[in-house]
Amino acid sequence: EVQVVESGGGLVQPGGSLRLSCTASGFTFSNFWMQWVRQAPGEGLVWVSRINGDGSSTNYADFVKGRFTFSRDNAKNTVYLQMNSLRGEDTAVYYCARETSGSYFLDYWGQGALVTVSS
Amino acid sequence: QSALTQPRSVSGSPGQSVTISCTGTSADVGAYKYVSWYQHHAGTAPKLIIYDVTKRPSGVPDRFSGSKSGNTASLAISGLQADDEGDYYCLSYGGSWLFGGGTKLTVL
Repeated sequence: EVQVVESGGGLVQPGGSLRLSCTASGFTFSNFWMQWVRQAPGEGLVWVSRINGDGSSTNYADFVKGRFTFSRDNAKNTVYLQMNSLRGEDTAVYYCARETSGSYFLDYWGQGALVTVSS
Repeated sequence: QSALTQPRSVSGSPGQSVTISCTGTSADVGAYKYVSWYQHHAGTAPKLIIYDVTKRPSGVPDRFSGSKSGNTASLAISGLQADDEGDYYCLSYGGSWLFGGGTKLTVL
């Protein structure tokens, strides 16, 4: 059974940093791209970033470019989202999801990690 | 890029059918077969219900169906049930990943 579990959310001050983790199981982790998607309070889902299987390629939404870094440790079946220079508008539930192989959709998601940026 | 356009809300009575539209452009929805739909209940993991415009993952009832015409994709839900209530999002890949704004489905 595929499982995706996020951790590391919390309260952080504007300008601060936070690292989210996402640990997956039930599949060959290194064979899949992984993604982060977020949902701000009262808003819809928004794509944030993706990383390929060996961690050599990443893509970012413009609003996080230069501030967020997506990485992975395949030995631990875990991806990380390092979030720096956080702003109030980064307040959201962050979902980790597996990108399917062979097409372009997200087939398994975690339940999300809440990040609150506030003083 | 702007989010894909979805109606903010739709509603229907149990047993009825509803359709949720997802409008993009010729660069995303209209260009590729990579439209997927997700059902989301607050506090839970979003669930994939349609992929590649028309395909259903194993375990998703055939009451859910997808289609596309031009730059607009649609999700149809027939035989509405109470637990269909929730938020529905489309996602299109066209070189970049773009979600719709989401549609709240209310089962009356």
